[in-house]
This record gives sequence, structure tokens and C-alpha cells, in this order.
Amino acid sequence: ELKVEQNPLFLSMQEGKNYTIYCNYSTTSDRLYWYRQDPGKSLESLFVLLSNGAVKQEGRLMASLDTKARLSTLHITAAVHDLSATYFCAVDMARGATNKLIFGTGTLLAVQP
Amino acid sequence: ETGVTQSPTHLIKTRGQQVTLRCSSQSGHNTVSWYQQALGQGPQFIFQYYREEENGRGNFPPRFSGLQFPNYSSELNVNALELDDSALYLCASSPDIRGRGETQYFGPGTRLLVL
Repeated sequence: ELKVEQNPLFLSMQEGKNYTIYCNYSTTSDRLYWYRQDPGKSLESLFVLLSNGAVKQEGRLMASLDTKARLSTLHITAAVHDLSATYFCAVDMARGATNKLIFGTGTLLAVQP
Repeated sequence: ETGVTQSPTHLIKTRGQQVTLRCSSQSGHNTVSWYQQALGQGPQFIFQYYREEENGRGNFPPRFSGLQFPNYSSELNVNALELDDSALYLCASSPDIRGRGETQYFGPGTRLLVL
């Protein structure tokens, strides 16, 4: 059974600091997704990582994928309050990009001024 | 181009009742997936529809069923509601059954409360 684990589950950080969220998954997957969710809202797509070694950056967020280690990271640089949200990683249930996703438990990020 | 829309936004039902949730996929998208997100949890895959046929199902009982229509809009039906069915139900559409590097787009969700 495919499992996706994130850590930490909760992250409180100060503005201006850097931190990394980790996402481990248990079986081979072609691609990995990162989503953001604000309280009471839907999911916003952040990144789609398609291959081993893929790195994508948008603003203060950078995501990377190591398919051999079955690990993805979401790195936050110089955090600002607007980044406060829950972040989910997700992988496809099967190879071939089925769009049937298994989500991690989420990381609740709180950026303190 | 309109995004993914869902209706209703909120719903309150009692145990044993039946509910139908609706989703209109993004223009040009023929694949719709449904997810259940309980409070404080990540979304869980319920099932996917591709060109009006069910294309894969997660670990949900048969009382969760769905439909996809020729215009690719979709319904999620839940019979014999249980308290644990209280959750945010999300639908997501994608342009094709395979991601091909594109992500799927999530609707705003329907929040269901079962009393």
C-alpha cells in the first residue's frame, strides 16, 4: 500500500528564517505534487515534479525530488507571514500519471512576525 | 475559461440520509476525480471518472457512487450517511486521464456535516 508521510506535521517559524518540509513515499512513483491549502479553502497547486532531480522554484518556495530516495523537499526561504498555510505533498497511485493521488498528512506552517 | 465549480458549498444532513454533490469541470477537461478530506487530514481519493466511465476507486464502500455526464460534469452520491462522512468533498479535473505534466485543478469543495 502506497504511503506518503510528511514531517514535520506542524512548523512554527519566524519571519525571515529558512526551513524545509520533507515528504517520503513508500513506492515508486512517476511524479510528485505540492499543494497549498488555506484554512477553509481548497487546494492550490504549487509544483509538479516529473523526474528524478527535478527542482522547481516559485518565489520563496523551492521543491525538489529524489525518486531513488523516494523523497521530496519543500524549502522555504526567508519566510513571510503570507506563507502561513497547510502544505501537502501527493503522489500518483500508480505509474503513468493517473491523476489519482495519495496525499500526505500535511504540514501546518505558521509564520510568526 | 471557467475553473472547477462545486455545489452546494455547505450541506447539513442526518444519519441515514442520502446526498448528491455536484462538480463542473474546467472547460476542456474530461477527467474528474473526487476526494474526501476529513478535518485535519489530507484528502483521500474516492474515485475517478474518465469520459463517463469510472476509472479507478479508492478504499470507499459502495454507498459512495458517482456519475459523469457527456459535458464531463460529475456527481458524487453518498447513501446511508454516517457521522464519519462529515468532511470537505473536493473534486478535481484534469485535461486528460494522464497528467502529462499538468496538474489537476481542484474546486472549492462542498463541506458536508452529518448529524
